[in-house]
Amino acid sequence: EPEVTQTPSHQVTQMGQEVILRCVPISNHLYFYWYRQILGQKVEFLVSFYNNEISEKSEIFDDQFSVERPDGSNFTLKIRSTKLEDSAMYFCASSGGTSGRALYFGPGTRLTVL
Amino acid sequence: GESVGLHLPTLSVQEGDNSIINCAYSNSASDYFIWYKQESGKGPQFIIDIRSNMDKRQGQRVTVLLNKTVKHLSLQIAATQPGDSAVYFCAENENRGSTLGRLYFGRGTQLTVWP
Repeated sequence: EPEVTQTPSHQVTQMGQEVILRCVPISNHLYFYWYRQILGQKVEFLVSFYNNEISEKSEIFDDQFSVERPDGSNFTLKIRSTKLEDSAMYFCASSGGTSGRALYFGPGTRLTVL
Repeated sequence: GESVGLHLPTLSVQEGDNSIINCAYSNSASDYFIWYKQESGKGPQFIIDIRSNMDKRQGQRVTVLLNKTVKHLSLQIAATQPGDSAVYFCAENENRGSTLGRLYFGRGTQLTVWP
């Protein structure tokens, strides 16, 4: 069964450093997303991406965040200058194609900012 | 802002019993709902979805009920097993035409199944 994959599973970084979180969405999907979950809290939307551009972003997704689909398979989230409050689980998701509107999530990357 | 919430934060059931997890939503324009299961340290796992033109949808051991009049969603798990222990989230989505809008997640219910 196809699934969303994410790397790395855990990323530790110093405050102010740049990080890139990587995702490989399900191959026939058309919509790509990043969500995050701070420990013990609910899952929050960051950004959606369709047709090679951002279709929607939340108030969390400020100028420090960017997304890119550099090739036909990868989808990345970059945080330019990490802050302590960026520590969270970051989930990539994809939807569309034969799965319709259902979002399928990856296993997540745990980002720890020290 | 938050538009989806859970009535109960925790639910404990005996193995073999049926479980019912509830969810309230406030956005009348939401027309698509999903239930996710999240095990510790893992990503949300799709369980079942329902569109607003339906009241009920069944899957394998799971049933989702949608009451649009009172904006209420429930997930029923039949013959609950220890492997069902997880946090369950409902999420809602509003159809925006050419693009899929964001999912709004509820806070989650921790289901614990006792042997």
